[in-house]
Amino acid sequence: QVQLVQSGAEVKKPGASVKVSCKASGYTFTAYYMHWVRQAPGQGLEWMGWINPDSGDANYAQKFQGRVTMTRDTSIRTAYMELSRLRSDDTAVYYCARDLPYGLWGQGTVVTVSS
Amino acid sequence: EIVLTQSPGTLSLSPGERATLSCRASQSVSSSYLAWFQQKPGQAPRLLIYGASTRATGIPDRFSGSASATDFTLTISRLEPEDFAVYYCQQYGSSPWTFGQGTKVEIK
Repeated sequence: QVQLVQSGAEVKKPGASVKVSCKASGYTFTAYYMHWVRQAPGQGLEWMGWINPDSGDANYAQKFQGRVTMTRDTSIRTAYMELSRLRSDDTAVYYCARDLPYGLWGQGTVVTVSS
Repeated sequence: EIVLTQSPGTLSLSPGERATLSCRASQSVSSSYLAWFQQKPGQAPRLLIYGASTRATGIPDRFSGSASATDFTLTISRLEPEDFAVYYCQQYGSSPWTFGQGTKVEIK
């Protein structure tokens, strides 16, 4: 079954970091870029960046440059998104999505940033 | 950065009616790389249309997309109860990929 399964909900304090995982199954992991998109409560969708699972190259939205790191572990077909120096406005659902035009999404990971 | 403006913000319609959703781009979208997504509460978005007018796998033919210059339209020919949701457009022709703010289709 072709699917993306993300890690569970996280609660973090301001200034901390969070690392969300996205495990792929049912297809060749290295054949498709993986993108990350987030959605703040009651808000729209925001693209954060992508990683090429084959090469490990990543490209980030300017807004997140310096705070986000996308990595992958091909041995376990898993992509990761780490966001550092968390603020309250980073509270959101974080999604991984397989390549454009995003025909396959993970179920989302709720990240709550609160003191 | 390409800004996508969706209208209306909310569309109140009854089942069986036709829904017309608009997405206007601030500049030309390369090769009509425009997608439409449907999102229901607590769920991930679902791809409906890509390339401005191509239905994704498994999407009913009551959903259709069209393009004219920088204006894109999603039409739902006859609303079914399961179609009441929020719809987003996204351009993926020019980085950063951007989304519209969404149109909510609600039951009248």
